[in-house]
Amino acid sequence: AQKVTQAQTEISVVEKEDVTLDCVYETRDTTYYLFWYKQPPSGELVFLIRRNSFDEQNEISGRYSWNFQKSTSSFNFTITASQVVDSAVYFCALRSGASGSARQLTFGSGTQLTVLP
Amino acid sequence: EAGVTQFPSHSVIEKGQTVTLRCDPISGHDNLYWYRRVMGKEIKFLLHFVKESKQDESGMPNNRFLAERTGGTYSTLKVQPAELEDSGVYFCASSEEGVLLNSPLHFGNGTRLTVT
Repeated sequence: AQKVTQAQTEISVVEKEDVTLDCVYETRDTTYYLFWYKQPPSGELVFLIRRNSFDEQNEISGRYSWNFQKSTSSFNFTITASQVVDSAVYFCALRSGASGSARQLTFGSGTQLTVLP
Repeated sequence: EAGVTQFPSHSVIEKGQTVTLRCDPISGHDNLYWYRRVMGKEIKFLLHFVKESKQDESGMPNNRFLAERTGGTYSTLKVQPAELEDSGVYFCASSEEGVLLNSPLHFGNGTRLTVT
């Protein structure tokens, strides 16, 4: 069975602080894909990043960076110098490539990030 | 390019009534998915279409839910009769997918359903 755990339900930071959102996943498959989505107050789910299980390179994109570690089954997301517009619910999601329901995304429960001015 | 469109954005109905949600995927995307988030919990998979065919409907909670995708374009999700526990946000997503299944799903804004 697949599972994604986002232990942080809510985080509040002051603008310009750095913040890391944690994501821990479980899967028996050796091939899998990890995603982060952002849900701003407007409601849509916005795709942020994808990472394949065979690619452990970390990635930086502007103020966003992702740390993928297979040894700890974690795929953490860091926002540097946070801004008020970063306030949203952030979801981590997992998709495996071997099971019968491979095309399903398994989501974590989400982390509500509030950036205060 | 237009994104995934869902209609209505909000729906408030009474227990026992029927509601139909509509999703228009991104043009050219053969894969269409329905998900829902109930009471702040995880976003859960409902079903997956490839063109007009149901590929996986293992997430459909019961037979009060009926999804269709006639012609392989837009999709509808009907709840009949609605129950209180059906309240939540229903998301539709579409994707192009290759062999590696690494294509991201593109989600719509969701339909917030409230059953009173």
